Amino acid sequence: AQTVTQSQPEMSVQEAETVTLSCTYDTSESDYYLFWYKQPPSRQMILVIRQEAYKQQNATENRFSVNFQKAAKSFSLKISDSQLGDAAMYFCASRDDKIIFGKGTRLHILP
Amino acid sequence: DTGVSQDPRHKITKRGQNVTFRCDPISEHNRLYWYRQTLGQGPEFLTYFQNEAQLEKSRLLSDRFSAERPKGSFSTLEIQRTEQGDSAMYLCASSSGLPPYEQYFGPGTRLTVT
Repeated sequence: AQTVTQSQPEMSVQEAETVTLSCTYDTSESDYYLFWYKQPPSRQMILVIRQEAYKQQNATENRFSVNFQKAAKSFSLKISDSQLGDAAMYFCASRDDKIIFGKGTRLHILP
Repeated sequence: DTGVSQDPRHKITKRGQNVTFRCDPISEHNRLYWYRQTLGQGPEFLTYFQNEAQLEKSRLLSDRFSAERPKGSFSTLEIQRTEQGDSAMYLCASSSGLPPYEQYFGPGTRLTVT
């Protein structure tokens, strides 16, 4: 069965600094997709970044990048130049048949 | 607006009452998903449809829960004889069913059972 584990319930980072959110997953599939979703307070879930497992190159979207370690089944999210608007719950998710979410990491941005 | 919409956004009901939620997916998406999210947790998969066919249901979906997507467009999620443990945010998402299988989420319906 698919599992997704986020071991950091909460994290804080100073505005303009860099923060890394951790995620590990387990799947029996060889081809799958990994996602990071952001859920701001009282707002809907939006996709931040996706990674296709067969691609070795780490995905990057502006200030957001991932460190995908397939053998270790690790998929961390790095946010550079943190902004106040980055404050949210961040969910790591894995998809082979359906999407399974981790429990989330609440990110606080300190001004 | 071509995003996923859900109605109502908030619902307060008394224990034992029935409630129904609606989700309108992105029009060209053939897959529609329902999730439940409790405070401080990630979304938990409930069920999903491809067009009008309900392809999978989670064990979380007790007999009191039923979902339909009669014409392959909007979907409804009904909870009968609500219990306090049903209080949660109910999220709907849709996708094209094609790689990269990205799901687009609606704003959710927050259910409070008193």
